[in-house]
Amino acid sequence: AQSVSQHNHHVILSEAASLELGCNYSYGGTVNLFWYVQYPGQHLQLLLKYFSGDPLVKGIKGFEAEFIKSKFSFNLRKPSVQWSDTAEYFCAVTGLYNNNDMRFGAGTRLTVKP
Amino acid sequence: NAGVTQTPKFRVLKTGQSMTLLCAQDMNHEYMYWYRQDPGMGLRLIHYSVGEGTTAKGEVPDGYNVSRLKKQNFLLGLESAAPSQTSVYFCASSGQGAGYTEAFFGQGTRLTVV
Repeated sequence: AQSVSQHNHHVILSEAASLELGCNYSYGGTVNLFWYVQYPGQHLQLLLKYFSGDPLVKGIKGFEAEFIKSKFSFNLRKPSVQWSDTAEYFCAVTGLYNNNDMRFGAGTRLTVKP
Repeated sequence: NAGVTQTPKFRVLKTGQSMTLLCAQDMNHEYMYWYRQDPGMGLRLIHYSVGEGTTAKGEVPDGYNVSRLKKQNFLLGLESAAPSQTSVYFCASSGQGAGYTEAFFGQGTRLTVV
């Protein structure tokens, strides 16, 4: 069955370190890709999305992600993390079944030490 | 402008009891979704609606029913609660399908079934 995988369950970094969170999906067709973030005690909010075009997309708060179709990946990156980036990050994909059915990965908890 | 509001925020049920979770959005969105979030499993889609009077099954629909009698409201019902339904439930809405535009999430409902 089509699925979304996030291999990093918990990542701990120091401030100013670089971040890369992995996301892979299993489906050979056209998909739309998203990263959502859930800060402690808050609702999920969109960081960035990819539909088509330039595979390197930029989102809010200095985050970016690169879509590599040949690897079925959509990894999230940030050159220098801050303590305020501590949150849970979810990769999401639509198009695995239909474009209304958004499937999420298990999430990666990021802890940034001051 | 409240966005997406979920009622209640917390609830404890006994096995076999029934309850309804209410999701209300004030953004005139056509699409609404119910997810459950469990540790290590991310968000899983329960049911969704592409417009008033419509509903569709997601990834984990068993044990739940939904109704979308009014465009702004999406109700999730548990007819006979089971401990396996202990979870955090999130409602979301979007102007187009979740695959086309940002989904806006509520704050979540933490449900415990004992």
